[in-house]
Amino acid sequence: DVKVTQSSRYLVKRTGEKVFLECVQDMDHENMFWYRQDPGLGLRLIYFSYDVKMKEKGDIPEGYSVSREKKERFSLILESASTNQTSMYLCASRPPDRWDTQYFGPGTRLTVL
Amino acid sequence: AQSVAQPEDQVNVAEGNPLTVKCTYSVSGNPYLFWYVQYPNRGLQFLLKYITGDNLVKGSYGFEAEFNKSQTSFHLKKPSALVSDSALYFCAVRPYGGSQGNLIFGKGTKLSVKP
Repeated sequence: DVKVTQSSRYLVKRTGEKVFLECVQDMDHENMFWYRQDPGLGLRLIYFSYDVKMKEKGDIPEGYSVSREKKERFSLILESASTNQTSMYLCASRPPDRWDTQYFGPGTRLTVL
Repeated sequence: AQSVAQPEDQVNVAEGNPLTVKCTYSVSGNPYLFWYVQYPNRGLQFLLKYITGDNLVKGSYGFEAEFNKSQTSFHLKKPSALVSDSALYFCAVRPYGGSQGNLIFGKGTKLSVKP
């Protein structure tokens, strides 16, 4: 059974703090994704990575960066958190040739005060 | 621009009645279409997909969806709703020529099934 885990379910940070959200998958998937989910806006892709040290911007990369040093781990970094980054963050992974098997983590609900 | 639309923010159904959650898409070429479900405080779970072949696809938990190319729709259906079906449902599409990256998700439809 594929497992995608995220380091925290709930996180509260202050404006200006540097925030790290960690995602780990145990199925040796090449592709990993970070989305944010907001009511009425659905899921929006922030960044994705198709291999170690490889990354591509998604639809809303501003204010975020990512790190993929190991295949199983994909980190989302908020360099200087702002209140408009309060959201649910979802990580996902899948093999590169299997569009029908994208697995999601449970999500991290981040609140920036 | 390629997109997915879920025209209803919320769908209310009585338990035992049939349910439909609507999805339309706008992409070039032949799309791959998906439905995902999100239960409260959980990540998204895959429900079903259309890649090619039979227009009626069956998925998990008794759900099915019908691909209609002429209407560019992929509505999710279930003959008899359960209270436990109450959740947030997302339609998604892999656009034609899509890179290794993205699925395009709709904004989600909240399904509420009352006893």
